[in-house]
Amino acid sequence: DTGVSQNPRHKITKRGQNVTFRCDPISEHNRLYWYRQTLGQGPEFLTYFQNEAQLEKSRLLSDRFSAERPKGSFSTLEIQRTEQGDSAMYLCASSLEIGRVGYGYTFGSGTRLTVV
Amino acid sequence: QQQVKQSPQSLIVQKGGISIINCAYENTAFDYFPWYQQFPGKGPALLIAIRPDVSEKKEGRFTISFNKSAKQFSLHIMDSQPGDSATYFCAAQSPSGGYQKVTFGIGTKLQVIP
Repeated sequence: DTGVSQNPRHKITKRGQNVTFRCDPISEHNRLYWYRQTLGQGPEFLTYFQNEAQLEKSRLLSDRFSAERPKGSFSTLEIQRTEQGDSAMYLCASSLEIGRVGYGYTFGSGTRLTVV
Repeated sequence: QQQVKQSPQSLIVQKGGISIINCAYENTAFDYFPWYQQFPGKGPALLIAIRPDVSEKKEGRFTISFNKSAKQFSLHIMDSQPGDSATYFCAAQSPSGGYQKVTFGIGTKLQVIP
């Protein structure tokens, strides 16, 4: 396992189009997260999965956003009817948590979305 | 609401010098404080982390100093090198809804000049 993999690395789309990103986490990790990062800011939490269950969504995640994690393996993040404000780096991370003891995240390299 | 305040936003240090980045938090439920290093075009990478039961943690040239009573922690990079030029994020984690929710600082862009 070489880490968290995200595809595509870059995506340019026209406003109003739908886009889908994929994340393959580290197989031993039991948590998967999606974050969004805009220029000059720290990552902002979008949503979190434990296995295939989506347990929390940020208010940043509007109805146009949907995330899935079928069978608790890879995850997808879809944005419908993209807007220019959706332009950002979308980061996926996974982590190992045992009980309530947390450890650091392993991030992927992200998908850079540009909406024109 | 910025729960983790980070400063400075940018820092220029000469090669061989000490880089210091400071963070402050408000939520006493935070129980894990990681630092992440991010290079352009890459995702953040975990650099070093500390739990509130210790006051200092050192890994190579990187040291976290933690002051629980002041609710502050800092990253010190000793003998800074040009390869350390990156953006550094402090973060804080707290148990929330059965998982560890992470809050990131705004980031510090470090430039180490030869």
